[in-house]
Amino acid sequence: AQSVAQPEDQVNVAEGNPLTVKCTYSVSGNPYLFWYVQYPNRGLQFLLKYITGDNLVKGSYGFEAEFNKSQTSFHLKKPSALVSDSALYFCAVSRGTDKLIFGTGTRLQVFP
Amino acid sequence: NAGVTQTPKFRVLKTGQSMTLLCAQDMNHEYMYWYRQDPGMGLRLIHYSVGEGTTAKGEVPDGYNVSRLKKQNFLLGLESAAPSQTSVYFCASMGPTGKNYGYTFGSGTRLTVV
Repeated sequence: AQSVAQPEDQVNVAEGNPLTVKCTYSVSGNPYLFWYVQYPNRGLQFLLKYITGDNLVKGSYGFEAEFNKSQTSFHLKKPSALVSDSALYFCAVSRGTDKLIFGTGTRLQVFP
Repeated sequence: NAGVTQTPKFRVLKTGQSMTLLCAQDMNHEYMYWYRQDPGMGLRLIHYSVGEGTTAKGEVPDGYNVSRLKKQNFLLGLESAAPSQTSVYFCASMGPTGKNYGYTFGSGTRLTVV
């Protein structure tokens, strides 16, 4: 069965510092990996995805994620955090057209 | 604007009442999904559909029913609402194989059962 773990409920970072939001996954076969962001009282917005190819994936708003097959991880990163990045971030995994399985979410708080 | 539209946005129900949540997409997507979001639990799949006339159970289907009579619409029904169904409900759709693979989400329905 597919599963996703986001080990941190909350990540705090100062504005201008690099940020990392962690995600590990478990899936049989090749994983399709996604990051979504949710702002208060809004739906989820797509940030980036890994399907195949280069392990470093670049997405919206300056975010990027690195696929590490040996560690079954797909951590979200940004070189310099902004206060406006504060939101709830979800990692998700699927096997292509199969349904997405989401992690429990990590709240990112960026302090001025 | 193209996308996924959910109605209503908010609703308060009394225990035992019934209601239907509507999800409509205008992107000609085959796949549609209903999730519920609860604090600390992320998004959990209730039911989904891989095409018009098809439905399937997800992780937490009990107490819910769905229908996909038209390709663009996916309805979620609560026959007898319970306080445990207080949640935020999200609908999502996904395009055909070989395209995006990712979901497009609606803005959610906040349901309170008292």
